[in-house]
Amino acid sequence: SAVISQKPSRDICQRGTSLTIQCQVDSQVTMMFWYRQQPGQSLTLIATANQGSEATYESGFVIDKFPISRPNLTFSTLTVSNMSPEDSSIYLCSVVDGLNTEAFFGQGTRLTVV
Amino acid sequence: GENVEQHPSTLSVQEGDSAVIKCTYSDSASNYFPWYKQELGKRPQLIIDIRSNVGEKKDQRIAVTLNKTAKHFSLHITETQPEDSAVYFCAANSGGGADGLTFGKGTHLIIQP
Repeated sequence: SAVISQKPSRDICQRGTSLTIQCQVDSQVTMMFWYRQQPGQSLTLIATANQGSEATYESGFVIDKFPISRPNLTFSTLTVSNMSPEDSSIYLCSVVDGLNTEAFFGQGTRLTVV
Repeated sequence: GENVEQHPSTLSVQEGDSAVIKCTYSDSASNYFPWYKQELGKRPQLIIDIRSNVGEKKDQRIAVTLNKTAKHFSLHITETQPEDSAVYFCAANSGGGADGLTFGKGTHLIIQP
């Protein structure tokens, strides 16, 4: 299975600022996704990161708040913009590789907004 | 879009007993149903999955059943052990896994010694 490195693992940020989270995979993957997991809750899909084109966002998530880049088949970034305490969550990168359709997760970024 | 309901939210069983977690989904086009285990502070780990062309799949102490007509699927863990204690999430999607997943709310499984 693909090895996924997500950075930073955690951060504490001031409200009104932005944080960019990086997801690096050790092999080319077909699909990359970003999820949010609020404290004690389930995972919610934010968007599909499309290589070379704009991300596809789920209902309730918008590009201005969560801009996503995917410049190649092994790397993606998620930015959480103009943060508020409600953005405090764990953000997870997920990949589906070309060999099968199992989805694997990065270790997550624990974000606290103060 | 897809909606996945998961029950129970908390399940406490005696060590050695069986545990069953149930999920229902709404989108009849869904064809891929994975289960993830998440230990405290760790990433979700895939433990078993099933596709719509199969009714049951087993891997040692873990099994998953799927009823497409009723749109529900279940996770069965037999001979539970303390290390089975975790939060379990079911999920579904219609892209065979190549689309993003819709998750249930999770079940906190507690194995009592």
